[in-house]
Amino acid sequence: AQSVTQPDIHITVSEGASLELRCNYSYGATPYLFWYVQSPGQGLQLLLKYFSGDTLVQGIKGFEAEFKRSQSSFNLRKPSVHWSDAAEYFCAVGANSGNTGKLIFGQGTTLQVKP
Amino acid sequence: EPEVTQTPSHQVTQMGQEVILRCVPISNHLYFYWYRQILGQKVEFLVSFYNNEISEKSEIFDDQFSVERPDGSNFTLKIRSTKLEDSAMYFCASRRGQGMHGELFFGEGSRLTVL
Repeated sequence: AQSVTQPDIHITVSEGASLELRCNYSYGATPYLFWYVQSPGQGLQLLLKYFSGDTLVQGIKGFEAEFKRSQSSFNLRKPSVHWSDAAEYFCAVGANSGNTGKLIFGQGTTLQVKP
Repeated sequence: EPEVTQTPSHQVTQMGQEVILRCVPISNHLYFYWYRQILGQKVEFLVSFYNNEISEKSEIFDDQFSVERPDGSNFTLKIRSTKLEDSAMYFCASRRGQGMHGELFFGEGSRLTVL
């Protein structure tokens, strides 16, 4: 069965420091992978996605993620974190069963940014 | 920028009462979804809807749940007789195209509290 694991429930980094949020997935075929961000009181916003091709994908707000098939990972990175990046981050895999386009989410990682 | 809107933002209800959560998807979108997130847990898929019928539903989506697109703009989730465990944030989402290639846009969520 498809599943997504985000090992870190809560991460704190200092403003200006680099960030890496981990995501591991379980999926039989080539996965469709996504990262979403949820700021307090907001809906889920798509940061980036991977379907095929270049394994390093660029997203909005300076985020990038790298797909590593051998490790079943899709970690999210940002070289320099800003205070406004404090939010909850969700990794998701697209389950293409029946072409309904549903997503399976990880548990989320809460990012806290210290000044 | 087009967005998915949800009402109410927060509803408190007594156990056993019926609840209707409303969503207005983006106007040219064809695929509609409900997800929910129980506090501290993963965002979970509930149901997908296309062409005026359910295309897929999860185990959570039992006979107490129903969805409807009554007038071509609203997309509603009804819970007939709420239980304590229905307390969660419910997210509506929509996409334009089939499968994974169209971006999935989420609303800000409706928080349901069942007492």
